[in-house]
Order: sequence, then C-alpha cells, then structure tokens
Amino acid sequence: SQTIHQWPATLVQPVGSPLSLECTVEGTSNPNLYWYRQAAGRGLQLLFYSVGIGQISSEVPQNLSASRPQDRQFILSSKKLLLSDSGFYLCAWSDPAGGSYEQYFGPGTRLTVT
Amino acid sequence: AQKVTQAQTEISVVEKEDVTLDCVYETRDTTYYLFWYKQPPSGELVFLIRRNSFDEQNEISGRYSWNFQKSTSSFNFTITASQVVDSAVYFCALSEAVGDNYGQNFVFGPGTRLSVLP
Repeated sequence: SQTIHQWPATLVQPVGSPLSLECTVEGTSNPNLYWYRQAAGRGLQLLFYSVGIGQISSEVPQNLSASRPQDRQFILSSKKLLLSDSGFYLCAWSDPAGGSYEQYFGPGTRLTVT
Repeated sequence: AQKVTQAQTEISVVEKEDVTLDCVYETRDTTYYLFWYKQPPSGELVFLIRRNSFDEQNEISGRYSWNFQKSTSSFNFTITASQVVDSAVYFCALSEAVGDNYGQNFVFGPGTRLSVLP
C-alpha cells in the first residue's frame, strides 16, 4: 500500500531564516506531487505541483520554491521566511495512470514564523 | 476557470441529527471529477469519495451519502445520524483534465466546519 510522509511535524522559525520541508511517498511510481498551504481557519491553497522529476509548476508567486530531486521526493524551500509564510503545509500525491485521480495527503507540517 | 463553492461556512448539529453539506461547482469541461475530503482536528485530509461527471448515481456508504446532480452543478454530502466523531472541516473538490492527467487541475472549495454536539 502507499504511504506519504512529511517532516517535520511542527516547526518554529524566525523571520528571515531558511526553510526546508520534505515529503516522500512510498509504494507507487511516477506520482503527481503537490504542496498546499492552509492558513489558520482557511481553505487550501495550491503552491506547487510536479508531474515528474525536475518538473515543477508554481501556482502562486512567492518566496517559496519546490524541487523534486527523486521520483517520490518533494521538497518545499525558502531562503528567507516571512511572517505570512506561517501555516499548515500539506503534501499530497495522486496517480495519473491509475484512473482514480484523487489526491492523498500527508500528515502536514505546522509552521510558525516568529 | 473552474470553481467550487461551499456556501455553509459552519454548521452545528446535535448528535443523531442528519446534516447535509452543500457543494456547487463550475466548470466548462464535460469530463471532470468531484471529491469530498474530511479534515479532522488532527489536520490530515482524508479522502472520502470520488465521482466522475458521467456517473450521476447517488452513493451511500454507511451513514454517508452523496447526491450528484449535473443539472444544478451540485455534489451534496449527507451524514445520517451524526456523531461527535464527524466533527471536522469538510472540503469539496473538483478536478478537470489537463491532457490525460487529471491531477494537475485540482480545485478545493473553502470548506464547511461541522460541529456535532453531544
């Protein structure tokens, strides 16, 4: 069966510090991968998605970036965090070849920028 | 562009009541997929159901049921005999095809917070 991992689970970082959040998927190949952000009490905002290694599409211009160095690894980064980067970050995967299309989410990382 | 509306921001019911969560969508595609997700207080989104645009059959799974009506662009979710464990935020979502890849164009509604009181 497939599983998706995210770490860390929680993170408190000062403004201006760098960020690296990691997401890995097990039990599937060539997944679509996604990063979402959810501000407190708000809906989901798609940040990045990837259909393959090195292929990243950005949905919202910001100081965040994403990379996919391996097929099942998706990394969200920032060189300098802003207060507005605080939120709940969710990674998700879907199987473009499986005929089902739903996204499956990881446990999330709660980021607080102070 | 596609859009998903969940007009109910928050709903409170007493345990054992039935509750319906509304979802209205907009799309220009004839082929699309609709989904419901549950986000309990722990934060992780849990996939509940998928429905494609060619299948308007209603579905029942235990206390959960879904009513898909293309004529009104709605995909409503009913919980029968609600329980405290149903308390969560529920998201409706829409996916359109981008070529053969349906995963790229995924839009979530704003969510409905359901509180089931004992």
